[in-house]
Amino acid sequence: QSVLTQPPSASGTPGQRVTISCSGSTSSIGSNTVTWYQQFPGTAPKLLIYSNNQRPSGVPDRFSGSKSGTSASLAIGGLQSEDEADYYCATWDDSLKGLVFGGGTKLTVL
Amino acid sequence: QDQLVQSGAEVKKPGASVKVSCKVFGYNLNELSMHWVRQAPGKGLEWMGGLHREDGKTFYAQNFQGRVTMTEDTSTDTTYMELRSLRYDDTAVYFCATGGWMVTPSFDFWGQGTLVTVSS
Repeated sequence: QSVLTQPPSASGTPGQRVTISCSGSTSSIGSNTVTWYQQFPGTAPKLLIYSNNQRPSGVPDRFSGSKSGTSASLAIGGLQSEDEADYYCATWDDSLKGLVFGGGTKLTVL
Repeated sequence: QDQLVQSGAEVKKPGASVKVSCKVFGYNLNELSMHWVRQAPGKGLEWMGGLHREDGKTFYAQNFQGRVTMTEDTSTDTTYMELRSLRYDDTAVYFCATGGWMVTPSFDFWGQGTLVTVSS
């Protein structure tokens, strides 16, 4: 069972906006910044968002992150078929003194 | 070219140890905070541990305390992860990763992954 809670699945149609939630605690998301990763089957994850809402160069601005209290969200606007992948949130946990990942959300583009 | 290249797949028996390597190209290892993340078949990502380069402290996930050791050879820009007392549920793809560490570590660069299979 993951320290961070994500919905196991999400879906949307092309062009739609989809959000994926990530719920933590005061010692995790409540005290630290959140990162988001995208992963396609059989490949290494790719960094999408760091420091809650910062995009690395090359990541489209359709991807955005936010954080409020002990929860965070990843929003994907203008959904495209190539966005179909697994998405993971992660943050540092001060109680565990380690990095924790959410269980992952499988995004399906209908 | 900036990349992390890992050693090849391994098959080990329960109770054995495995040591996976990760060679850095394009950077000096002693400038990087290196981490290891694993992914069991069909499962999510699990952080195993990482070195905070600036203060030289290595953090290990509680799930692996006492079973995992991360070391490095800066002369060859190679980092290593050794996992001992292997169990069947240690079967996974093991990734090395690196990036910034401002508050939460973030991983811009990943190795290609090394499949470790634990089987009798």
